[in-house]
Amino acid sequence: QVQLQESGPGLVKPSETLSLTCTVSGGSISGYFWSWMRQPAGKGLEWIGRIYTNEITNYNYNPSLKSRVTMSVDTPKNQFSMKLSSVTAADTAIYYCARDRDGNNVMDVWGQGTTVTVSS
Amino acid sequence: DIQMTQSPSSLSASLGDRVTITCRASQSISSYLNWYQRKPGKAPNLLIYVASSLQSGVPSRFSGSGSGTDFTLTISSLQPEDIATYYCQQTYSTPPTFGGGTKVEIK
Repeated sequence: QVQLQESGPGLVKPSETLSLTCTVSGGSISGYFWSWMRQPAGKGLEWIGRIYTNEITNYNYNPSLKSRVTMSVDTPKNQFSMKLSSVTAADTAIYYCARDRDGNNVMDVWGQGTTVTVSS
Repeated sequence: DIQMTQSPSSLSASLGDRVTITCRASQSISSYLNWYQRKPGKAPNLLIYVASSLQSGVPSRFSGSGSGTDFTLTISSLQPEDIATYYCQQTYSTPPTFGGGTKVEIK
């Protein structure tokens, strides 16, 4: 059974870069799309983007965040990561990683989420 | 981006009740609509994909219907373990977008 676990600092200063990692256990990271979502308090879920890795690596980012987001994969560690630069208080949210079951943005496995607060 | 509007934002029902949640898209999305359940402190769970297909392992009391712009998630007989927030998601176009959620509570 595939499980996902997000990790990263819970507090990030304004203008700095938020870095999160998602560890995949119980299955291989290769051959799937892996996504990041977030949910600010009192607001809806927002798709940040996704990364695919097999023999090649492919990315899709939300246009609203594309200028600030970078995603990567560490296949030997079965991990994928996200960096969000120049953060502001508006980036405070619960961040989720998830597996896209078939490349159609249907997320069949999710992490529990990690809370990130942007504050000085 | 396609806007997804869920209603109601919250509801209170008795155990055994039939519960219906609606989701409306700002434009036609064919059947590219999924439903998720999120319980406090737990990972979200895929319930329904492409409007009406039940994800493996999900109880049969959950069902989905609709196409175009209007969709529904139905719980045929509300159980205590169904207390959660439910979200719809369109995957017709990128970026995929989610509804605001419907919180289901026991009356």
